[in-house]
Amino acid sequence: AQRVTQPEKLLSVFKGAPVELKCNYSYSGSPELFWYVQYSRQRLQLLLRHISRESIKGFTADLNKGETSFHLKKPFAQEEDSAMYYCALRGPSGGYQKVTFGTGTKLQVIP
Amino acid sequence: DAGITQSPRHKVTETGTPVTLRCHQTENHRYMYWYRQDPGHGLRLIHYSYGVKDTDKGEVSDGYSVSRSKTEDFLLTLESATSSQTSVYFCAISTGQNLLINSPLHFGNGTRLTVT
Repeated sequence: AQRVTQPEKLLSVFKGAPVELKCNYSYSGSPELFWYVQYSRQRLQLLLRHISRESIKGFTADLNKGETSFHLKKPFAQEEDSAMYYCALRGPSGGYQKVTFGTGTKLQVIP
Repeated sequence: DAGITQSPRHKVTETGTPVTLRCHQTENHRYMYWYRQDPGHGLRLIHYSYGVKDTDKGEVSDGYSVSRSKTEDFLLTLESATSSQTSVYFCAISTGQNLLINSPLHFGNGTRLTVT
């Protein structure tokens, strides 16, 4: 079974401080990993995906297969980063049809 | 927003009544999903569809049924609503057709359902 764990419900950091949102997954094989973000009163939207190895809004995430982790990082937090962040996994079992989400981490950036 | 519309946006209903939520898309995507979002649980998959009349259960499908009689509409029905089904319901589509790799989900605005 595929599983995603986000251990922190709430992460509070000061503006300008580094941010790391943790995500660990359980899956045998080669999954796809994603980070989604939900700003207040808005729909969920894709932030980034591991296969693209991109940096969006200053955020990066590296897939570590040895540690089965996909932590989201940003060197300097901004107030507009305050939002709910979800890590998600999609695996080849079932033809990549199911996407499993973690429980989410609320990031609060303190001015 | 990938042309996804959810209706209604808000709904208050009484325990025991049937409720149907609608997800409509305008771009003929094959894969559609229903999730519920609850504090402490994140998003949990209820049902999903991989084509007209082709659906499958997710992890929290008890008490829910779905139908997809045409590509653009995916309906979620609570046959007899219970208070535990009070939640925010999100529809999502995957823009991949036959190959889903590297195909993220696109979400609707959500339906806030309250069962009293």
